[in-house]
Amino acid sequence: DSGVTQTPKHLITATGQRVTLRCSPRSGDLSVYWYQQSLDQGLQFLIQYYNGEERAKGNILERFSAQQFPDLHSELNLSSLELGDSALYFCASGGGARSYEQYFGPGTRLTVT
Amino acid sequence: AQRVTQPEKLLSVFKGAPVELKCNYSYSGSPELFWYVQYSRQRLQLLLRHISRESIKGFTADLNKGETSFHLKKPFAQEEDSAMYYCALSRYSGNTPLVFGKGTRLSVIA
Repeated sequence: DSGVTQTPKHLITATGQRVTLRCSPRSGDLSVYWYQQSLDQGLQFLIQYYNGEERAKGNILERFSAQQFPDLHSELNLSSLELGDSALYFCASGGGARSYEQYFGPGTRLTVT
Repeated sequence: AQRVTQPEKLLSVFKGAPVELKCNYSYSGSPELFWYVQYSRQRLQLLLRHISRESIKGFTADLNKGETSFHLKKPFAQEEDSAMYYCALSRYSGNTPLVFGKGTRLSVIA
């Protein structure tokens, strides 16, 4: 267990809807990364937050947004959902003592019907 | 553009046989290279990084800058090595996003 928690584990929703995924990093880690894993694209970096501020942006759609709160947990908001957004969404934390290492959560499986 | 290529989706070897999981990368600069592993019903976790030059669980990986490769090797495969292996790079050491390959599933046959 890496200490990173993600909720919910599974989410089934319809096209056009909006969902929020939640991530709590390991104690002491200031960075939160969001990754999307789909069958065709593999694991792709979406966005990184460090101590409440956006640090890096990857292949994140405009319909998606994220934030990191003062207690360092993070939320990824996905709106106007499309079938193609169905994927496994991973959160990872890092930036602690072993700053090169990212610790992954168990993921949230999103199914858009 | 940064890119990591793992040419094999699936690699099956017999127990006791040598293993080599291939990874090639493209990056203009000096990236840091990693191997992450995901065992069945477990989370993705770091296996090793090129800077540390360690052997973890019998696995080693050498960075070849000329061939832009970072292949993962183990001389004698064990059944417990069966897992999904991802090669990844980051721009520089510490607190930066990872670019992943699509992964290779290693199956070790008894």
